Amino acid sequence: GENVGLHLPTLSVQEGDNSIINCAYSNSASDYFIWYKQESGKGPQFIIDIRSNMDKRQGQRVTVLLNKTVKHLSLQIAATQPGDSAVYFCAEISNAGGTSYGKLTFGQGTILTVHP
Amino acid sequence: DAGITQSPRYKITETGRQVTLMCHQTWSHSYMFWYRQDLGHGLRLIYYSAAADITDKGEVPDGYVVSRSKTENFPLTLESATRSQTSVYFCASSGGFEVYGYTFGSGTRLTVV
Repeated sequence: GENVGLHLPTLSVQEGDNSIINCAYSNSASDYFIWYKQESGKGPQFIIDIRSNMDKRQGQRVTVLLNKTVKHLSLQIAATQPGDSAVYFCAEISNAGGTSYGKLTFGQGTILTVHP
Repeated sequence: DAGITQSPRYKITETGRQVTLMCHQTWSHSYMFWYRQDLGHGLRLIYYSAAADITDKGEVPDGYVVSRSKTENFPLTLESATRSQTSVYFCASSGGFEVYGYTFGSGTRLTVV
């Protein structure tokens, strides 16, 4: 079936560096993509989203890039901090069924470790 | 307090027992979801609900039952627990996926022995 996956399962960076987390998806009908951060013992927390008609979206210290040609999504974190250490998931929603909401499909996750 | 809460936080049960995980949200969101999270599989959708009395299967529904008699509650029942259902279970709610995204609860860690 359709799936969303990640290229790298772990990423280690130094505090202050920029981090890039990648994600590949296979469903060309995906309408909407979300990045989540999950800290140990907690549920996923929304970071940033992007619609399929956009290539880039920026938030506070985070940028999401979408390349529909190669079905690739990335999350860039600027000036990474120790508090950014967590598991990061990309997720996609396809509204192909025509419903007013979509079901999230998650990738496997990338563990980001930030060293002081 | 406003938010989405799950209970219990931790649960140990025996194989064959019935167990119910609770989920309650205070936003009156229409949509609610149950996911399970396992190493190597990420989060997988078990069941979802578009509104009270409307539920549908997700990716891995076998062995689970849900109900939604009230908008704010979405309990998940394991009718006869198996060891393969040992997992962390997350409930989520959404007022509309594009505008609000999803908000997740803190999870229930279930161990079936």
